[in-house]
Amino acid sequence: EAQVTQNPRYLITVTGKKLTVTCSQNMNHEYMSWYRQDPGLGLRQIYYSMNVEVTDKGDVPEGYKVSRKEKRNFPLILESPSPNQTSLYFCASSLRLGATGYTFGSGTRLTVV
Amino acid sequence: SQQGEEDPQALSIQEGENATMNCSYKTSINNLQWYRQNSGRGLVHLILIRSNEREKHSGRLRVTLDTSKKSSSLLITASRAADTASYFCATDAFAGAGSYQLTFGKGTKLSVIP
Repeated sequence: EAQVTQNPRYLITVTGKKLTVTCSQNMNHEYMSWYRQDPGLGLRQIYYSMNVEVTDKGDVPEGYKVSRKEKRNFPLILESPSPNQTSLYFCASSLRLGATGYTFGSGTRLTVV
Repeated sequence: SQQGEEDPQALSIQEGENATMNCSYKTSINNLQWYRQNSGRGLVHLILIRSNEREKHSGRLRVTLDTSKKSSSLLITASRAADTASYFCATDAFAGAGSYQLTFGKGTKLSVIP
């Protein structure tokens, strides 16, 4: 089944403890992206990647890192999480940039205490 | 940056009625997309309309795009209780250096009452 897989689904962590949210797609999509969703603010883009080893900042990149060493994987790294990073995170991928719709993962609900 | 703005923020209708949601945006776009999200779950792509298209249909969905007014509408005909969800418009726009950025609005929460 064509899909974007995120793990974990839920995560509670403490301030300052490094964490990684994984994202993997099995559709050979070139474009991948991370969003966070917060009440009243909608979805905001964190980082995106146009291809392997090509990443760029979205609208809210502060406090996050990403890497794209392989086409299928696009992990989101929080080096030192803070409570304002408590949010619902989504990974998404697209076959052709600017031409096709995006496939979203099921989301990761992160709580930083 | 928030590009699309949906209107209304919330909509409640009876099953069988039509639901219309509107989206306005600010800058030139490559295409506009609509997504559905059931509570707390991932977004599902519904339909994509390119900037040179004016109308598109998919099943019970009809999308229009007016680039002169920078607006789009999503019509769901003969609504069902299962259509209850949040609906988002997203604008796909050139972001420089051969890149495109998909920017979402805040969504319309649709409730279909059985």
